[in-house]
Amino acid sequence: AQSVTQLGSHVSVSEGALVLLRCNYSSSVPPYLFWYVQYPNQGLQLLLKYTSAATLVKGINGFEAEFKKSETSFHLTKPSAHMSDAAEYFCAVTSSEYGNKLVFGAGTILRVKS
Amino acid sequence: SQTIHQWPATLVQPVGSPLSLECTVEGTSNPNLYWYRQAAGRGLQLLFYSVGIGQISSEVPQNLSASRPQDRQFILSSKKLLLSDSGFYLCAWSVGRVSTDTQYFGPGTRLTVL
Repeated sequence: AQSVTQLGSHVSVSEGALVLLRCNYSSSVPPYLFWYVQYPNQGLQLLLKYTSAATLVKGINGFEAEFKKSETSFHLTKPSAHMSDAAEYFCAVTSSEYGNKLVFGAGTILRVKS
Repeated sequence: SQTIHQWPATLVQPVGSPLSLECTVEGTSNPNLYWYRQAAGRGLQLLFYSVGIGQISSEVPQNLSASRPQDRQFILSSKKLLLSDSGFYLCAWSVGRVSTDTQYFGPGTRLTVL
């Protein structure tokens, strides 16, 4: 079965440190890949989207993600964490192998320490 | 610009009671509409989606149903709630192709079944 795996249900970084949230997916056809952020008791907000153009995708709030086909990965990074980045982050994938539905990973909760 | 509304924001219901959650979208025509459920510590599970009035696709057999009486209105219902129906319910919309276009999420409804 197709799957989306987010390594680490919780990630903790210090303010100003690099943020790295990992996402791996399974798909033998070109996928569309998304990262969303969710603040407590709110809906999901789109951070960025990969649609087979540039492999390095820049999003909002200083986040970016790199599509690596050979590694089937789409990791999310930010050079310097801010306290306001504390939230839950979801990776999502769609392709014909996913029945053309958007399938989400289990999420990673990011904690930013002062 | 487009706006998506969900109500109520929170709901506490006894087991066996009925349910009606409403989602409306403004600023776009003929959107694709989606209902997701988010259980604690898990990702989002697609429950239903609709590509037009009266057109509902069910993803998971369960105690819930959905209807789309108007172009920009999507309703999630149940005749008798179960404890397992508790969760955070999110409505989303997109335009164009269901498979690839970005989905935009509403603020969600927190449902607690006691």
